Amino acid sequence: SQQGEEDPQALSIQEGENATMNCSYKTSINNLQWYRQNSGRGLVHLILIRSNEREKHSGRLRVTLDTSKKSSSLLITASRAADTASYFCAQTYSGNTPLVFGKGTRLSVIA
Amino acid sequence: DTAVSQTPKYLVTQMGNDKSIKCEQNLGHDTMYWYKQDSKKFLKIMFSYNNKELIINETVPNRFSPKSPDKAHLNLHINSLELGDSAVYFCASSPAGHYEQYFGPGTRLTVT
Repeated sequence: SQQGEEDPQALSIQEGENATMNCSYKTSINNLQWYRQNSGRGLVHLILIRSNEREKHSGRLRVTLDTSKKSSSLLITASRAADTASYFCAQTYSGNTPLVFGKGTRLSVIA
Repeated sequence: DTAVSQTPKYLVTQMGNDKSIKCEQNLGHDTMYWYKQDSKKFLKIMFSYNNKELIINETVPNRFSPKSPDKAHLNLHINSLELGDSAVYFCASSPAGHYEQYFGPGTRLTVT
């Protein structure tokens, strides 16, 4: 299976703290994406990082990619209660191959 | 003005029945997908259509049959429902040449 893994499975932090989630995958990728899923809702695309990129920012989000370690991290700075959700990484391995999702990290931000 | 919509949101049915889930996107995207999310939140691709043509068909029982009447719609028909089909089914779409996907709100299917 090419399924990646997020780590930790669950994370609980206080509002204002930073949250870091990690994702590992198994073989060379074309790109990697992070998605957020609020309880009972569909997934929302957050950010995409290509295999030749090492870091990307979007607002309070910072994503890094280390292709030598086959891993990525998502940092959410100055977290808010509204950031409470599950976060998934998903890889595209080549061309039209489907996205492969990990099992997600459940983030709880306590006000 | 919902971008990707699914109906119904909840579906409760008995084993052996046949049911359909509908998906529509008004984003003008070329590619549409069906995913299954199990009770452990594991999300797995089932099918992908590009301009009404099937391009990805993962190892899904042939009781599941997708149909794309036009580029904006991708419906999922399930025959002879089984207990293990209980899950949340998500429809998604993506624009040509882009990898990011836009998801619908999901349909929670419960088979009793």
